[in-house]
Amino acid sequence: QITLKESGPTLVKPTQTLTLTCTFSGFSLSTTGLGVGWIRQPPGKALEWLALIYWDDDKRYSPSLKSRLTITKDTSKNQVVLTMTNMDSVDTATYYCAHTTIHSTSSLYNWFDPWGQGTLVTVSS
Amino acid sequence: EIVLTQSPATLSLSPGERVTLSCRASQSVSRFLGWYQQKPGQAPRLLIYDASNRATDIPARFSGSGSGTDFTLTISSLEPEDFALYHCQQRSNWPFTFGQGTKLEIK
Repeated sequence: QITLKESGPTLVKPTQTLTLTCTFSGFSLSTTGLGVGWIRQPPGKALEWLALIYWDDDKRYSPSLKSRLTITKDTSKNQVVLTMTNMDSVDTATYYCAHTTIHSTSSLYNWFDPWGQGTLVTVSS
Repeated sequence: EIVLTQSPATLSLSPGERVTLSCRASQSVSRFLGWYQQKPGQAPRLLIYDASNRATDIPARFSGSGSGTDFTLTISSLEPEDFALYHCQQRSNWPFTFGQGTKLEIK
């Protein structure tokens, strides 16, 4: 069974850097074809894909946020870390991490399944 | 980037009714379109992937169709637990994008 859980600060000040950790179980990011993505959802608004990292350290970023985002993995700890610099009130959102795969044998190619429960981050002074 | 437009924004229906939700892409995504269900306070759950394939443990009353730019999610007979927020997502092109969501509420 695959599970993921996000952790990090619930409140950050404007201009600060946000660091979120996704701790997962039921799979390893050393396994060919697997990946973890980050998606956020401002209160009452749409989902927004942020970043994705694959087993081979291939990284993808949302172009609109690329300059502010860094995604890394620690395979030994089963963790993926997302950092976002220069936080602003518009970055207030629930941040989710999710499992994905691009394995040739999987039909769920690049779909997000399952997701973590999410963590609400508020940006306020 | 590909813009996904979902319609309508809100639907008010009764249990037992049939419903069709729409998702339109600003350019062709082939069949690389998926649907997620999100209940209040919960994370999204994958329902449909690649336009018409049900994800694991998704009831048969959920079905998806479409290709290119126009897609639909149909629920054949609404159960009380189906009243939720539904999102579409494309994985055809980077960046992956989501629609703004359709809220299905009880009439």
